[in-house]
Amino acid sequence: EAGVTQSPTHLIKTRGQQATLRCSPISGHTSVYWYQQALGLGLQFLLWYDEGEERNRGNFPPRFSGRQFPNYSSELNVNALELEDSALYLCASTSRVIVDGGGYTFGSGTRLTVV
Amino acid sequence: AQSVTQLGSHVSVSEGALVLLRCNYSSSVPPYLFWYVQYPNQGLQLLLKYTSAATLVKGINGFEAEFKKSETSFHLTKPSAHMSDAAEYFCAVSGGSNYKLTFGKGTLLTVNP
Repeated sequence: EAGVTQSPTHLIKTRGQQATLRCSPISGHTSVYWYQQALGLGLQFLLWYDEGEERNRGNFPPRFSGRQFPNYSSELNVNALELEDSALYLCASTSRVIVDGGGYTFGSGTRLTVV
Repeated sequence: AQSVTQLGSHVSVSEGALVLLRCNYSSSVPPYLFWYVQYPNQGLQLLLKYTSAATLVKGINGFEAEFKKSETSFHLTKPSAHMSDAAEYFCAVSGGSNYKLTFGKGTLLTVNP
């Protein structure tokens, strides 16, 4: 079974540009979570998508947005990039049915560097 | 609201020694608790989880954790450390209707030969 796939693995952008990160969940999983792991700040919850809708978002500005497609894959968009957006962005998926008894499977992440 | 506190941002042990990584949680609903490991430049790998069944949970790579409700703790242990255990370890909690995972700040485990 394929795991959670994230692309690209590395992304270098200039301040002010936009970045698009992609996540493909495990087959059968309908929920996708995005986390930001910035140096010294730990893992911060960004967004939760389930069944195509945004269910919850963390304490991030509106320039962080995303969507979930009918096949449950997801995109994270970061507009007007700032230097402090440089971080590892992790995606996790889980099935709504098993979420209470299961775990969250993470991808390997996208390393975003803003210069 | 939920939160996790990991005591000790850096733990150093000798190879073969006991590993003990501490985690305390706060949750207004019955929690689900998780330990994840992160190797350099990689994502998070699930070590073990507590989901209201047995309070002593066994995971991969010889790790285990015990849920103690009275102490609101979920400490991770391994009897004998291996060099390959060197990594960062995260404790996380979820529960309630929003399902998101809330992480502790992580503990970096160093294993000395």
